[in-house]
Amino acid sequence: AQSVTQPDIHITVSEGASLELRCNYSYGATPYLFWYVQSPGQGLQLLLKYFSGDTLVQGIKGFEAEFKRSQSSFNLRKPSVHWSDAAEYFCAVGYNYGQNFVFGPGTRLSVLP
Amino acid sequence: AAGVIQSPRHLIKEKRETATLKCYPIPRHDTVYWYQQGPGQDPQFLISFYEKMQSDKGSIPDRFSAQQFSDYHSELNMSSLELGDSALYFCASSLALKARGYTFGSGTRLTVV
Repeated sequence: AQSVTQPDIHITVSEGASLELRCNYSYGATPYLFWYVQSPGQGLQLLLKYFSGDTLVQGIKGFEAEFKRSQSSFNLRKPSVHWSDAAEYFCAVGYNYGQNFVFGPGTRLSVLP
Repeated sequence: AAGVIQSPRHLIKEKRETATLKCYPIPRHDTVYWYQQGPGQDPQFLISFYEKMQSDKGSIPDRFSAQQFSDYHSELNMSSLELGDSALYFCASSLALKARGYTFGSGTRLTVV
């Protein structure tokens, strides 16, 4: 069965610092990969997604992610974090549309002023 | 560990019929979120409830309504079903005051014929 791991439960960075959130998946084939962000009490917001093609994907709010097949990873990055980026971040994996997404456990990001 | 329970797992309805989807959150979770994922689409946030009150609203059609009951389970009511309502509907639950614990159910697959 597919699984998604996000090794970091909680990350704290200073505003303006760079950020990398890790995501690893276990799957038999190249899946669809997503990163979502959730602010407290709010629904998920899609940051970016990867289906095929260029393995470096640009998303909203200045985020990007890189798919590395050899490492089964899809890490999220941002060169300079803003205080408003403090939220919970979820990596998600899907095999085919119409099948359930598998979400990782999430990484909570705190931003220090 | 207990997970988010959704029922039914599969549902087939005809156009113009009504459907009710149920979501039972993880015990002690006080927030429920509903999502819709159509074929070839990203999951779209519909609506959320915190302590039985609507806390956020997304792209939920006027034909749909939802509520959260005293035992924190939630129901999504869908009327005048259209072919385009065919999708996977899944809910998630969380404890509002904690950043972690955002857990998705396995979804209800609705097919409108």
